[in-house]
This record gives sequence, C-alpha cells and structure tokens, in this order.
Amino acid sequence: SQTIHQWPATLVQPVGSPLSLECTVEGTSNPNLYWYRQAAGRGLQLLFYSVGIGQISSEVPQNLSASRPQDRQFILSSKKLLLSDSGFYLCAWSAPGQGALTYEQYFGPGTRLTVT
Amino acid sequence: GEDVEQSLFLSVREGDSSVINCTYTDSSSTYLYWYKQEPGAGLQLLTYIFSNMDMKQDQRLTVLLNKKDKHLSLRIADTQTGDSAIYFCAEKQNSGYSTLTFGKGTMLLVSP
Repeated sequence: SQTIHQWPATLVQPVGSPLSLECTVEGTSNPNLYWYRQAAGRGLQLLFYSVGIGQISSEVPQNLSASRPQDRQFILSSKKLLLSDSGFYLCAWSAPGQGALTYEQYFGPGTRLTVT
Repeated sequence: GEDVEQSLFLSVREGDSSVINCTYTDSSSTYLYWYKQEPGAGLQLLTYIFSNMDMKQDQRLTVLLNKKDKHLSLRIADTQTGDSAIYFCAEKQNSGYSTLTFGKGTMLLVSP
C-alpha cells in the first residue's frame, strides 16, 4: 500500500533563516506530487505541483521553491523565511499521468511551521 | 473561472444528520470530492462522485450532485462527536492537469 511521509512534524524558525521541508512517498512510481499551505486552520493554497523528476509548476509567486530530486521525493525550500510563511504545510500525491481513474489526492500528516 | 465555495461553520447535535453544502463554478468539472481534516492532521479522502452521477451513498455518507445548479452536498447520518472536523469540497476540472481546486472548508462541530 502507498504511504506518504513528511518531516519535520513541527518547526520553529526565525525570520530570515532557510527552510527545507521533505516529503516522500512509498508504494507507487512516478506519482504526481503537490505542496499546499494552509493558513489559520483554513483554506488550502496550492503552492507547487510536479508530474515528474525535475518538473515543477509554481502556482503562487513567493519566496518559496520546490524541487524533486528523486521520483518519490518532493522538497519545499526557502532561502529566507518571512513571518507570512507561517502555516501548516501539506504534501500530497496522486496517481501518475493523465490516465488516472479518479485523480484523488492523498495527503501527508503535515508540517506546522512557525516563523518568529 | 475556478472557485469552490462552502459555508464556514456547522453545528449539530450528536445523532442528528449533518448536511454540508458546496458550490462550484466550473461546469466542466469531472470529479468532485469530499475530504475530512481532523485537528493538526492532513486531509483524508472521504468520498468522490463523478460528474455524470446524481447521488452516491457510502455507509453514513450520502453525496448529492446537482450539476445544473453546480451544487454538491455531503450528508452525514447519525452524526457522532468523532465526525467533528473540517470538511473540504474539491473539484477536478476537465483539463490536462491533475490539480484539484479546494474550497475553504466547513468546520463541523458535533455536540453531545
């Protein structure tokens, strides 16, 4: 069965410090991968998605970036965090390609980031 | 345009039925989803419905789709305190991308 992992679970970082959040998926190959941010316990904002290694689409311009160095690894980064980067970051995967049966997404447990 | 709207809050008593509503704007949506998020956790897929269906039932959950009005609802029968969570509606447009558009979520509070 497929599982998705995120770490760390919680993170407190000062303004201006770098960020690296990691997401890995097991049990599937070539998944579509997604990074979302959820602020104030509400609303999911799609930040990035990837349909393959090295292929990243950005939905919202900001000081965050994403990379996919391996098939089942998705990393969210920042060189300098802002206060407004605080939130709950969720990684998700869906079945690969455009021939998926139903396109549903499966979410990881999330990372709570507090920028101080 | 792409927009999914939900009411923000619903409060019910244990044992009652809950109905969470959602409206969407893209008539080309192919799949519509309901996700549940418990406090501090990721989203869990509850159910989905294909756009050519009117209704789908899965145990205590009933999904109704009115494609003409672009209205989706989730009914939870015999609501329990463990059903307290945020419920997200999401749609998949009929495009080449696999992304979903989520509503802002409805917080369901079930009181004993």
